[in-house]
Amino acid sequence: DGGITQSPKYLFRKEGQNVTLSCEQNLNHDAMYWYRQDPGQGLRLIYYSQIVNDFQKGDIAEGYSVSREKKESFPLTVTSAQKNPTAFYLCASIDSGGWSEAFFGQGTRLTVV
Amino acid sequence: RKEVEQDPGPFNVPEGATVAFNCTYSNSASQSFFWYRQDCRKEPKLLMSVYSSGNEDGRFTAQLNRASQYISLLIRDSKLSDSATYLCVVSPLGYKYIFGTGTRLKVLA
Repeated sequence: DGGITQSPKYLFRKEGQNVTLSCEQNLNHDAMYWYRQDPGQGLRLIYYSQIVNDFQKGDIAEGYSVSREKKESFPLTVTSAQKNPTAFYLCASIDSGGWSEAFFGQGTRLTVV
Repeated sequence: RKEVEQDPGPFNVPEGATVAFNCTYSNSASQSFFWYRQDCRKEPKLLMSVYSSGNEDGRFTAQLNRASQYISLLIRDSKLSDSATYLCVVSPLGYKYIFGTGTRLKVLA
């Protein structure tokens, strides 16, 4: 079955550590996105990528980094510069820009301990 | 002003009631509009796209008002299972999808 997979589902990070969240899709979608959701809040855009080897900052990119070396993969690194990383992270992919449904992974819940 | 704004609610309604949510957007060049449903601690899932002519899917009706820059979602004959957060999504540019903060709905028995 085609879909979008995030891993891990739960992740615990010590302060000062970098961690990488995985996002893989086999839908052959060009565009991929990372969002952050805090309790009782909507989704805020961190980074998005329209094509391999290209990505753009969203509204809250500080303290995060991404790469898009393959069409299928769009990993997100939460760096130690992100001061408040505890949140629910959602990855999405879209077939063609602006007109299609966004498909989401099941999310990664990151907690700083 | 936020790019996409929603009343966070919660909207508490009895079973069988009709409830409506609005979502306003600031960019008049926005091209695509969607409603997503999100259950607690789960990923959002598409409820319906919003077309210029409006569209209906069973008990759900979505409308777009470009002049006033808002979209709406109407739910008729509410069910307990409709309890969720409803997110509106606006795409002002080809690849940038912007989510509202969501409106919480609780349908009461």
